[in-house]
Amino acid sequence: DAKTTQPPSMDCAEGRAANLPCNHSTISGNEYVYWYRQIHSQGPQYIIHGLKNNETNEMASLIITEDRKSSTLILPHATLRDTAVYYCIVVNTNAGKSTFGDGTTLTVKP
Amino acid sequence: DAGVTQSPTHLIKTRGQQVTLRCSPKSGHDTVSWYQQALGQGPQFIFQYYEEEERQRGNFPDRFSGHQFPNYSSELNVNALLLGDSALYLCASSWNSDSLRGYTFGSGTRLTVV
Repeated sequence: DAKTTQPPSMDCAEGRAANLPCNHSTISGNEYVYWYRQIHSQGPQYIIHGLKNNETNEMASLIITEDRKSSTLILPHATLRDTAVYYCIVVNTNAGKSTFGDGTTLTVKP
Repeated sequence: DAGVTQSPTHLIKTRGQQVTLRCSPKSGHDTVSWYQQALGQGPQFIFQYYEEEERQRGNFPDRFSGHQFPNYSSELNVNALLLGDSALYLCASSWNSDSLRGYTFGSGTRLTVV
């Protein structure tokens, strides 16, 4: 499974966009990029996923570079409740196994 | 619609003992994955069960074993507990036929080994 690299921490002002980067330079053709977040003392929560096209849902947008070696999760209008650890993972859906790194701790400040 | 349910929420065991953790998947899900999350780290994949069989396994010793029942619920067993087994154990469920929708995680079982 491809490994991912994320900055350990980021801050964002409330109401502004939060852009969380992720490097996955060893990703293979059949691996998807998934993003989850984990609020303290809870299990991870699915946010969004993509293969090679940009994706958007009610929670966030996912931008994947053309070479698929990196991606960015965008929270368009961050709120205090978005403070959490955000994990970028790559998943081979045929195998089902997924590997989490240590994630990015996003702190949204008033 | 109930999400993923894990029990117990917390427990304390003594080194060398055995422990069983339980997971009920989200309604309609047929695949269960188990993860170990040490303090300050991301979840580490232990194994995944589908159709009552272990389908994939991460880098965990044989002390870690599991089972899936016909109703899709699952158990994680850890034998000969070590202090380093202290962690949050997470269960995640999904549809095998539509795994692209991602996993639904439970809130975990906090295991402390003393």
